[in-house]
Amino acid sequence: QKEVEQDPGPLSVPEGAIVSLNCTYSNSAFQYFMWYRQYSRKGPELLMYTYSSGNKEDGRFTAQVDKSSKYISLFIRDSQPSDSATYLCAMISSGSARQLTFGSGTQLTVLP
Amino acid sequence: EPEVTQTPSHQVTQMGQEVILRCVPISNHLYFYWYRQILGQKVEFLVSFYNNEISEKSEIFDDQFSVERPDGSNFTLKIRSTKLEDSAMYFCASRGRTGNSPLHFGNGTRLTVT
Repeated sequence: QKEVEQDPGPLSVPEGAIVSLNCTYSNSAFQYFMWYRQYSRKGPELLMYTYSSGNKEDGRFTAQVDKSSKYISLFIRDSQPSDSATYLCAMISSGSARQLTFGSGTQLTVLP
Repeated sequence: EPEVTQTPSHQVTQMGQEVILRCVPISNHLYFYWYRQILGQKVEFLVSFYNNEISEKSEIFDDQFSVERPDGSNFTLKIRSTKLEDSAMYFCASRGRTGNSPLHFGNGTRLTVT
C-alpha cells in the first residue's frame, strides 16, 4: 500500500463549480498536512497548511483533515479557469528532518 | 513576498558529465531541501540540509550526488556523472526556524541528460 494515495484525475469542471480533491494515507506518523498547487513547468506553490483535524479556510479554499480516517480534502469554491493546475497533497511525519511525502497529484481543469 | 530562486531553469548535459544546480533559499530560512520530479511522476525527496550538514537523504541520493552551502546564500546540488535516468525537474525548497513551518519551493531546474 502506498503511503499517500491521490486520484490523479484528470478532473474537469465548469467555472463556478465546487471542486473536491482528496488524499488518503496509511502512515499514522503523519502529523502535518499541506496542499500545493503546481502549474505546468513550475514549482509547487503552498496553498494550505494544517496540523490538526478539522477545517481550515482561506478565501475560496478549505482544507479538511480527518486523522481518524486518515483522509484529507481540499475544497475550492467558485472555481476559476486560473485554478487549472495540478494539486498535490503532502504530509510530514513527526520525525526530525521533516521531509515531505507527496501524493501523485490531481490535474484539474476549470472550463470557462 | 520572498521566494526560493533556482538557476538555471533548464540544463542540458551529456551522459557522464558533472552538473551543478544552484538555489538561493529564502534569506532567513535554516532548513534546505532538494526534491526531484521525473516527468509524469511524483515529487520525490532527495536530501535535507541543516546547520551545514545533511540531515536526511533518500535512497535516490547515492554517491553521485552531493550538496553544499558554499556561502551564506547559495545551496547547490552536484551530480558527478550524470545518467539518462537523472533527467527530471529538480526543486529546491527551504523552510524557517520554527518547528512546524512549511516548505517553500523554487520553480525548479529542468535537467535533460542526453
